[in-house]
Amino acid sequence: AQKVTQAQTEISVVEKEDVTLDCVYETRDTTYYLFWYKQPPSGELVFLIRRNSFDEQNEISGRYSWNFQKSTSSFNFTITASQVVDSAVYFCALSDTNRDDKIIFGKGTRLHILP
Amino acid sequence: DGGITQSPKYLFRKEGQNVTLSCEQNLNHDAMYWYRQDPGQGLRLIYYSQIVNDFQKGDIAEGYSVSREKKESFPLTVTSAQKNPTAFYLCASRGGWYNEQFFGPGTRLTVL
Repeated sequence: AQKVTQAQTEISVVEKEDVTLDCVYETRDTTYYLFWYKQPPSGELVFLIRRNSFDEQNEISGRYSWNFQKSTSSFNFTITASQVVDSAVYFCALSDTNRDDKIIFGKGTRLHILP
Repeated sequence: DGGITQSPKYLFRKEGQNVTLSCEQNLNHDAMYWYRQDPGQGLRLIYYSQIVNDFQKGDIAEGYSVSREKKESFPLTVTSAQKNPTAFYLCASRGGWYNEQFFGPGTRLTVL
């Protein structure tokens, strides 16, 4: 069975600090996709990144970076020099390559960036 | 602009009434999805459709119904059989080679 665990329910950091959001996943499939989404207070989920299971390269996009490690089944997300606008709920998600194309979401981590 | 629209943003209904939530996309995506989100919870899949005139139940389909008569539209009806309908409802679509879904702004339904 597929499962995504985000153990950190809520995190608060002071602006300009770095923060890492943890994500651990379970799947029996050898081919799968991992995602991160951001949900700001407005409610709409914003797609941030996709990573497929064959690509373990870390990725950096501005202040955001992602660390994918198959050995530990983790796909962690780091925000460097956090800003108040980063305050949101962040969801990690998993999809295998079955025909139904469903995505399994973690329960999310609520991030508070304090000014 | 291409995207997904959901209307209305806020919806109030009396208990026992059916209510239909709208979801429209102009991204030319084949697949569409409905999720429910409760406070402090993740997203739970209600129904999904991979092609016009076809749809499948998700994890919490009881008390809900959908139709997919057009590629662009995937309305969700919350029936009186849904025991706890007050929630935030998100519609999503997926197209192309990859599996990521793109979401609409959501509808917050409150049943009084």
